[in-house]
Amino acid sequence: GAVVSQHPSRVICKSGTSVKIECRSLDFQATTMFWYRQFPKQSLMLMATSNEGSKATYEQGVEKDKFLINHASLTLSTLTVTSAHPEDSSFYICSATRGAGDYEQYFGPGTRLTVT
Amino acid sequence: ILNVEQSPQSLHVQEGDSTNFTCSFPSSNFYALHWYRWETAKSPEALFVMTLNGDEKKKGRISATLNTKEGYSYLYIKGSQPEDSATYLCAFRDYKLSFGAGTTVTVRA
Repeated sequence: GAVVSQHPSRVICKSGTSVKIECRSLDFQATTMFWYRQFPKQSLMLMATSNEGSKATYEQGVEKDKFLINHASLTLSTLTVTSAHPEDSSFYICSATRGAGDYEQYFGPGTRLTVT
Repeated sequence: ILNVEQSPQSLHVQEGDSTNFTCSFPSSNFYALHWYRWETAKSPEALFVMTLNGDEKKKGRISATLNTKEGYSYLYIKGSQPEDSATYLCAFRDYKLSFGAGTTVTVRA
């Protein structure tokens, strides 16, 4: 149990366009979902935390108007990179928790975004 | 930004040999230390959650120890197999998870 999917796995877009990444918990209801970004040879960096039906909480230095997060249901969160630029090229990965005392985070496989 | 360091960055081990590597983390505001195993193109897989100083956890040939007073954890792989090849991540939890950059293990047959 505790499977998280992410779509797409890879995306290439042109500078100035927007890209949406989906994160789904397949066999559990996710009380909280997290979005991380990883640059080459660096660690996963938390971008934002979202709870279903609430506004996301963004980490310091992450532009909320640039990275729009929607957590409309207990099984789906989306990250939209708006007006993408080459510096937004990165690996984006989501995770989810089940709550009820289970603090483990269950991760999706990630999305490689390349902005040309 | 919390400083979570993993060492070494990568290592190569012969099949059948044992190996270990470290994760160091702040010794204050400690709630838990997580270990994940991450194979290429797959999701990071939770290995251990460790909360108490002196904790030792084991899963098959993989085990981990925790020292919260000095701020380090060791992960051990006994009798390495090719399927153990992966990047091993540790993460320090206070109100969020702060990750190390990982140790990439390559097991040579």
